[in-house]
Amino acid sequence: GAVVSQHPSWVICKSGTSVKIECRSLDFQATTMFWYRQFPKQSLMLMATSNEGSKATYEQGVEKDKFLINHASLTLSTLTVTSAHPEDSSFYICSARGGPGTDTQYFGPGTRLTVL
Amino acid sequence: EDKVVQSPLSLVVHEGDTVTLNCSYEVTNFRSLLWYKQEKKAPTFLFMLTSSGIEKKSGRLSSILDKKELFSILNITATQTGDSAIYLCAVVRGGSTLGRLYFGRGTQLTVWP
Repeated sequence: GAVVSQHPSWVICKSGTSVKIECRSLDFQATTMFWYRQFPKQSLMLMATSNEGSKATYEQGVEKDKFLINHASLTLSTLTVTSAHPEDSSFYICSARGGPGTDTQYFGPGTRLTVL
Repeated sequence: EDKVVQSPLSLVVHEGDTVTLNCSYEVTNFRSLLWYKQEKKAPTFLFMLTSSGIEKKSGRLSSILDKKELFSILNITATQTGDSAIYLCAVVRGGSTLGRLYFGRGTQLTVWP
């Protein structure tokens, strides 16, 4: 159990386009999902916390207009990188809390974004 | 300022060796500590620890938490090349940031055949 999927697993796009990444909890309901970014040889950097049915909470320094997060259902959260630029190229990972009362987060397999 | 410090940052051993990875923390309103293994992709969950002195075990891996001294260790016995990965320690705080993971930098473990 506790499987989280992400789609797509990798994407290449041109500068200026928008890219949407989906994160789904497959076998449990996730009231809270988290979006991370990871640069090579660095640890995960939390971008935002997404609660179902409410606005996401962004970490300091993360542009909410650039990284749009929607958590419309208990099993799906999306991250849209708007007007992507080469510096947005990174590994984006989502995670989902395994339900109320548990602190365990289960991670998706990640999405490698390359902006040309 | 909250801190999660892992040591060593990297470790190279031979198959069959036993390793101990350390994680110390200074976090207000501590709630739990989690260990993850990250290979090429995203982290996979290993253990969640909330109580002091109770060892969690899964095969060759085990972990324990000391809430008085504010640290945890992850032990791997009889290491195999498949154990090569980055091991991440993360702490969860209670309160308004409930659920958020505060990560250490990780320990890069390399197991040679």
